Amino acid sequence: QLQLQESGPGLLRPSETLSLTCTVSGGSIRNGDSYWSWIRQSPGKGLEWIGYVYYTGNTKYNPSLQSRVSISVDTSRNRLSLWVSSVTAADTAVYYCARDYDYRDNSGYSFYGLDVWGQGTSVTVSS
Amino acid sequence: EIVLTQSPGALSVSAGGRVSLSCRASQTIDNNIVWYQQRPGQAPRLLIYAASTRASGIPARFIGSGFGTEFTLSIDSLQSEDFAVYYCQQYHNWPRTFGQGTKVEIK
Repeated sequence: QLQLQESGPGLLRPSETLSLTCTVSGGSIRNGDSYWSWIRQSPGKGLEWIGYVYYTGNTKYNPSLQSRVSISVDTSRNRLSLWVSSVTAADTAVYYCARDYDYRDNSGYSFYGLDVWGQGTSVTVSS
Repeated sequence: EIVLTQSPGALSVSAGGRVSLSCRASQTIDNNIVWYQQRPGQAPRLLIYAASTRASGIPARFIGSGFGTEFTLSIDSLQSEDFAVYYCQQYHNWPRTFGQGTKVEIK
């Protein structure tokens, strides 16, 4: 079955760049119905969708983070990566990678849902 | 950005009881809404997509309904494993947004 696993440093200093990787196993990241997403969760802001990458490399970012965020895909290694630059304490959160699956119906209409999640990785920004 | 407002923030229910959780959107989102369950220390779990379609493996006691701006997640015959936080999320517009969650506690 499809599984996602996040990895990366848990502690950063303010102004540093956060870098996380999500490894996909049990399935191909080249699945055409999948949008590979990063979501974060903090006590202050709840759940926040950071952005997604399609296997072709196309991306979409939350406008609130767009100037500091980059997401990429490595199909040869079946993984995706997240970078967040110039981090502050406000970026402290649990970061999840998840698959946003397109449940397209017979008429071609798309319905979406985050059907597979990683376990999450805790990131703290502190001096 | 579409704002999703969930109510109540928390409620206490006895096992075997029934609950109805509300999610209101700041503008119409047709049926483009999803519900998740999150247990302590775990990632969210997909329950319902397209407002009323249960995801794979989700028991029939989870029922989603609504269209436009008003949505409801009902849970019949609450089991011990159902005590958790429930979130709604819209995919009508970008960015995708989540509600703030409703915590269902054991009475």
